[in-house]
Amino acid sequence: GEDVEQSLFLSVREGDSSVINCTYTDSSSTYLYWYKQEPGAGLQLLTYIFSNMDMKQDQRLTVLLNKKDKHLSLRIADTQTGDSAIYFCAESPTNTGTASKLTFGTGTRLQVTL
Amino acid sequence: GEEVAQTPKHLVRGEGQKAKLYCAPIKGHSYVFWYQQVLKNEFKFLISFQNENVFDETGMPKERFSAKCLPNSPCSLEIQATKLEDSAVYFCASSQSRVRSTEAFFGQGTRLTVV
Repeated sequence: GEDVEQSLFLSVREGDSSVINCTYTDSSSTYLYWYKQEPGAGLQLLTYIFSNMDMKQDQRLTVLLNKKDKHLSLRIADTQTGDSAIYFCAESPTNTGTASKLTFGTGTRLQVTL
Repeated sequence: GEEVAQTPKHLVRGEGQKAKLYCAPIKGHSYVFWYQQVLKNEFKFLISFQNENVFDETGMPKERFSAKCLPNSPCSLEIQATKLEDSAVYFCASSQSRVRSTEAFFGQGTRLTVV
């Protein structure tokens, strides 16, 4: 079955870069996602990457995918206090596109300090 | 609507009572998903629908849980005879189609507390 793992906690200073890591086991994963959850709120999709890509950049966010090692990372440049939240990586299998269920990681709580 | 609307935001039920949660997907979205977020942030997939048809129900508990998506009505998730372990935040998400981009939009969730 699918398994997605993340470290539980990351603390960074405002202005520094944050790197949140994720490993997954399902080799048929086609889409890999990063979601942000603020306290008491739903999930906000930050970015996603197809498994045939190595990197995707979107403003302050950079996603790196190492398909061989099944490792996904999210780098947030110039981290701000508003970035404090829980970040979830998620994957979905090939073939079923948007109808497929997401398997989420355990979430990484990012704390941004002044 | 332009966002996934879940009601109620909070629901408190005594053990053994019924709980019913509602989700209005984004207009034009064909797929609806239900997830359960329990302690330690773990998300568990429950069920998905393609329009009013069940698409994938591999995550649904065999007993007490049921869900529907009927035409012209919000989708619903019903839990009969709630148990303490059903306490969680239940999220609904919707997405547009199999062919287009893969984004699933999530609602704000319904927090169910069973006492």
